Amino acid sequence: DIQMTQSPSSLSASLGDSVTLTCQASQDINFYLNWYQQKPGKAPKLLIYDASYLEPGVPSRFSGSGAGTHFTFTINSLQPEDIGTYYCQQYDNFPLTFGGGTTVDLK
Amino acid sequence: LQLQESGPGLVKPSETLSLTCTVSGGSISTSSYNWVWIRQPPGKGLEWIGSMFYSGTTNFSPSLRGRVTISVDTSNNSFSLTLNSVTAADTAVYYCARGGYNWSPFDTWGQGTLVTVSS
Repeated sequence: DIQMTQSPSSLSASLGDSVTLTCQASQDINFYLNWYQQKPGKAPKLLIYDASYLEPGVPSRFSGSGAGTHFTFTINSLQPEDIGTYYCQQYDNFPLTFGGGTTVDLK
Repeated sequence: LQLQESGPGLVKPSETLSLTCTVSGGSISTSSYNWVWIRQPPGKGLEWIGSMFYSGTTNFSPSLRGRVTISVDTSNNSFSLTLNSVTAADTAVYYCARGGYNWSPFDTWGQGTLVTVSS
């Protein structure tokens, strides 16, 4: 199985801050990497697909980059509604796997 | 497109968990997407269970293979999950979702349903 390691596991930031999360794959997954946001008690929501493509309707302050084994996800100018847990997910190989998540809250 | 899970919230150990996901606002009979089950134990991360295309092509998590079945019901525009021989470790919120033509991404999700395994 491909292991997806997210760091940090949690972070606190202030409104307006730029926040960067990382996701490391245990082997090369090309660009087959998606990012999801999950708010407490809610289903995850797709934000970024294929490592860097913004899902329609998602604010442009969210962005993703990377390929191979190292990926980053950035929130430019953190907003109150961005609080939640962010997961990366690979689909280069079965089984499809998620990272353990990064929880973002307000400082 | 909307997805809605339904099924029992409580299942006894060793019995079978059965959930249905009803799809509205679009047809399940499409080759462009596949239909997915994902679960999340309380306080933990997301685990992919399995995916199925309308054509019948499926893929399952090796950790659950042998216990899990996914089926599509075109007459009701729904798909179902069956998980046999459940234990407390199967207690989780179960989500249905739609996956892309290459099995991913999961672009639409149901709200999730909590299934507790307990006697």
